[in-house]
Amino acid sequence: GENVEQHPSTLSVQEGDSAVIKCTYSDSASNYFPWYKQELGKRPQLIIDIRSNVGEKKDQRIAVTLNKTAKHFSLHITETQPEDSAVYFCAASQMNRDDKIIFGKGTRLHILP
Amino acid sequence: SAVISQKPSRDICQRGTSLTIQCQVDSQVTMMFWYRQQPGQSLTLIATANQGSEATYESGFVIDKFPISRPNLTFSTLTVSNMSPEDSSIYLCSVDSGVSYNEQFFGPGTRLTVL
Repeated sequence: GENVEQHPSTLSVQEGDSAVIKCTYSDSASNYFPWYKQELGKRPQLIIDIRSNVGEKKDQRIAVTLNKTAKHFSLHITETQPEDSAVYFCAASQMNRDDKIIFGKGTRLHILP
Repeated sequence: SAVISQKPSRDICQRGTSLTIQCQVDSQVTMMFWYRQQPGQSLTLIATANQGSEATYESGFVIDKFPISRPNLTFSTLTVSNMSPEDSSIYLCSVDSGVSYNEQFFGPGTRLTVL
């Protein structure tokens, strides 16, 4: 079955700097890779996703890249702000199959003033 | 996206008792899921709630411990039975986006503490 590894587990960056979170997956059949942000005491929220037919997707200050050959994908946050402080989860799945999403263990991102 | 609510938002229960958690969606959805999130941990799928049939449980989770109902396309319940302190966790339901089964949105969660 699918296995998703996520690094680092904790990341501290200065406000205004960029943050990068990396994930690898094991099942080459996976073709859908969502990222969730979970603020303290709140529900996980889908912030961006990428499908395997594209290599990069951007939405304002966040972007996700996918390398299918190496089976890894990354989340990039530029010009970080205090409200970016949260736990971020990557995940992998197969679209349009009755298949579960496998989550990484999460990265706790701290934005330092 | 759909508006998802859960009841109760939190509860403190005695060991040996059971708690039923409700998940309500404001529109019909195909897939509903139940997850557990232990303190400081990731999300673990308990089961997929199937409308009109028995839920599909993941490895390590059994129907006797976590019975699930899905009477229609907007509602599901998860019961945590014969609770022990190890069941203290956040329980979340999620629903599919209507575009694909895998694009999921989460409810606000139920924080359960078992004494």
